[in-house]
Amino acid sequence: GENVEQHPSTLSVQEGDSAVIKCTYSDSASNYFPWYKQELGKRPQLIIDIRSNVGEKKDQRIAVTLNKTAKHFSLHITETQPEDSAVYFCAASRRVNRDDKIIFGKGTRLHILP
Amino acid sequence: NAGVMQNPRHLVRRRGQEARLRCSPMKGHSHVYWYRQLPEEGLKFMVYLQKENIIDESGMPKERFSAEFPKEGPSILRIQQVVRGDSAAYFCASSPWEGADQPQHFGDGTRLSIL
Repeated sequence: GENVEQHPSTLSVQEGDSAVIKCTYSDSASNYFPWYKQELGKRPQLIIDIRSNVGEKKDQRIAVTLNKTAKHFSLHITETQPEDSAVYFCAASRRVNRDDKIIFGKGTRLHILP
Repeated sequence: NAGVMQNPRHLVRRRGQEARLRCSPMKGHSHVYWYRQLPEEGLKFMVYLQKENIIDESGMPKERFSAEFPKEGPSILRIQQVVRGDSAAYFCASSPWEGADQPQHFGDGTRLSIL
């Protein structure tokens, strides 16, 4: 089955700097890669997603890149702000069988330092 | 359009009791997923349901755990004879479309504590 690895587990960056979180996946049939942000005690919120037919997607300060050949994808946050502090989860999924499911990484705790 | 609603937000049970967790999906969403999250860990899939149908329960323990999504009313995750190891946050997510390659929207979760 699919396996998603996420690095680093913790990341501290100075406010205003960029943050990059990387994930790898194992199933070459995976075609959907969402990213979720979870603040302490709150729900995971979908912040951006990408499908395998594109290599990059951007939404204001957030961008995601996908390398299908290498089976890895990354989240880039530019001009980081204190409200970016949270745990970020990457995930991968496919739609081949009805019981396919989204597989999540273990998360990256992002600290934005003042 | 209200988001995914879960209740209760916090639930305390003693060992051996039953826990019932409820999830009302977003309006128009007929696909419901339940996940379990332990502290400092990711989200682990438990079960995928459509109205009156369990599509995939491969992530749910075969004993003590059950889930339903009736024609009317919320989806229910039921844990019988709870044990300390059941303490976790349980999240529900919904989607309007079939398939794991569709965006899922999460509720605020139920934090279950077993005394």
